[in-house]
Amino acid sequence: QKEVEQNSGPLSVPEGAIASLNCTYSDRGSQSFFWYRQYSGKSPELIMSIYSNGDKEDGRFTAQLNKASQYVSLLIRDSQPSDSATYLCAVGDSNYQLIWGAGTKLIIKP
Amino acid sequence: DAGITQSPRYKITETGRQVTLMCHQTWSHSYMFWYRQDLGHGLRLIYYSAAADITDKGEVPDGYVVSRSKTENFPLTLESATRSQTSVYFCASRGQNYGYTFGSGTRLTVV
Repeated sequence: QKEVEQNSGPLSVPEGAIASLNCTYSDRGSQSFFWYRQYSGKSPELIMSIYSNGDKEDGRFTAQLNKASQYVSLLIRDSQPSDSATYLCAVGDSNYQLIWGAGTKLIIKP
Repeated sequence: DAGITQSPRYKITETGRQVTLMCHQTWSHSYMFWYRQDLGHGLRLIYYSAAADITDKGEVPDGYVVSRSKTENFPLTLESATRSQTSVYFCASRGQNYGYTFGSGTRLTVV
């Protein structure tokens, strides 16, 4: 059974601090990794993708991938109240079908 | 407008009725997906399609039927709606980077 695990939270972070979201996966054959943000009552929105080991930065967001340890993380710098949402980790299997984590609820406190 | 659109946004139907949720994408993506999202269960795959006339079951297909006669359309039909099918339904398509783009969702209530 291919699994993607996330801490459900909620994760509470002060405004301006760094929010760190983590995700582990079971399928060693996974090749693609994604972070989605979902606001309450809205659809998931792709915010980061990463395909190779290391860091990938996009504005205030950094995705980190470690295939040997089978984890992927998302860092959000200078957290804003507008970052409050549920963050979904998704991992592509060998057929590029996405396996979804249950999501981490992030709350940014002003 | 380019993108992926779902209709209706909200639907209330009675137990036993047939209901069809529509999904349309303008990118000509090959792969399309239907998910349901419920509290405590996250996203669960109902059906997916690799191309026109090619569909396959996902994790929770029972009670649902799909068709894909054209690349851009992927309707989901509940043949005889049950209260357990009350949920939010998302359609998605897969782009060249293998990430999915979701429609706005359909909130279905079965009474």
